[in-house]
Amino acid sequence: AQSVTQLDSQVPVFEEAPVELRCNYSSSVSVYLFWYVQYPNQGLQLLLKYLSGSTLVKGINGFEAEFNKSQTSFHLRKPSVHISDTAEYFCAVSEKGADGLTFGKGTHLIIQP
Amino acid sequence: DAGVTQSPTHLIKTRGQQVTLRCSPKSGHDTVSWYQQALGQGPQFIFQYYEEEERQRGNFPDRFSGHQFPNYSSELNVNALLLGDSALYLCASSLSLGAGGPYNEQFFGPGTRLTVL
Repeated sequence: AQSVTQLDSQVPVFEEAPVELRCNYSSSVSVYLFWYVQYPNQGLQLLLKYLSGSTLVKGINGFEAEFNKSQTSFHLRKPSVHISDTAEYFCAVSEKGADGLTFGKGTHLIIQP
Repeated sequence: DAGVTQSPTHLIKTRGQQVTLRCSPKSGHDTVSWYQQALGQGPQFIFQYYEEEERQRGNFPDRFSGHQFPNYSSELNVNALLLGDSALYLCASSLSLGAGGPYNEQFFGPGTRLTVL
């Protein structure tokens, strides 16, 4: 069975500062990796995904993530955050060939002015 | 193009009752997945429907059942409601595997918030 651990439940950061949201996963098979964002009272929106190839993936809104197979991590980064980035961020995995996503518990990104 | 739509937006039920939630997939999508998101938690996969059949299921009891119609829309039914069933229920639609590549993005609806009293 696969699992996802998001190491921080909340991350406060000042506006225009860089941020990293951490994600570790475990699985006995190869996986696809995702980051989703959820704004208040809304559904989930895909930020970026890793399927194969380059371990550094770029997504929407200036976010990027790096897949590290040896450390089973997929940390999300943004070099300069904006107030509008305040949201809940979820890391998720899917075993290749299966569509059901396994999510972490989420990290609440709080942007301080 | 309307995205994934869900109805109703909010629902209040009492313990022991039954509930039906509805989902219309994004235009062109043939696969529907359902997730339960308890307060302060990440979404948990309930099941997935394709070609009107349950193709994959997460770790949920048989009280949770579903249906997919020929137009690809879907229903989630929960019987004998428990207080612990209170959650945001998310529907996601996608193309079936192989139709668009090795993995097809799931598009999520806004959810139905179910409160069980």
